[in-house]
Amino acid sequence: GEDVEQSLFLSVREGDSSVINCTYTDSSSTYLYWYKQEPGAGLQLLTYIFSNMDMKQDQRLTVLLNKKDKHLSLRIADTQTGDSAIYFCAESSEAAGNKLTFGGGTRVLVKP
Amino acid sequence: EPEVTQTPSHQVTQMGQEVILRCVPISNHLYFYWYRQILGQKVEFLVSFYNNEISEKSEIFDDQFSVERPDGSNFTLKIRSTKLEDSAMYFCASSEGDSSAETFGSGTRLTVV
Repeated sequence: GEDVEQSLFLSVREGDSSVINCTYTDSSSTYLYWYKQEPGAGLQLLTYIFSNMDMKQDQRLTVLLNKKDKHLSLRIADTQTGDSAIYFCAESSEAAGNKLTFGGGTRVLVKP
Repeated sequence: EPEVTQTPSHQVTQMGQEVILRCVPISNHLYFYWYRQILGQKVEFLVSFYNNEISEKSEIFDDQFSVERPDGSNFTLKIRSTKLEDSAMYFCASSEGDSSAETFGSGTRLTVV
């Protein structure tokens, strides 16, 4: 079945850029997503990219997709303490009924 | 901004009891989903629902589970006889279309004792 993997933890200084990486196995992925989860809260959609795109930028967020290597990354520019959270990568495909398959999440800690 | 609402935020139940988790999806959304996240594990898909019927379900979604849209606004997940291993955070989500991004609720933390 489909699988999505992420590194567990990232520590970054306030003001620096954060890069969170994700790999996936489903070659028929249609959309790839980044969700943010703050403590005690739900999953907040940050951004998503269609599989025929290489890059998408949305304010401080830049998503890069390398479809050949099945690698997705999320870059957060000028990281703030409010960016501390768990970030989940997820993918969906029409072939799999468009349900989301999530990675295990990357815990990002922003140090002042 | 429209949001998906889940109640209760936390439920404690005894093993063997039935629980109903409630969700109010975004009003113009047509596709509804339940996911769960066992502590320390990945978020897992349970079931998707469209046009008043289940469109897909995972292996986790066995006969103990059922979903219902009892009226025009609520979407419920029922667990008939809870087990200790059902303890998890349960997330409801909804989307406009089948390839639209899903909006998640804040989750219901179910603790089975």
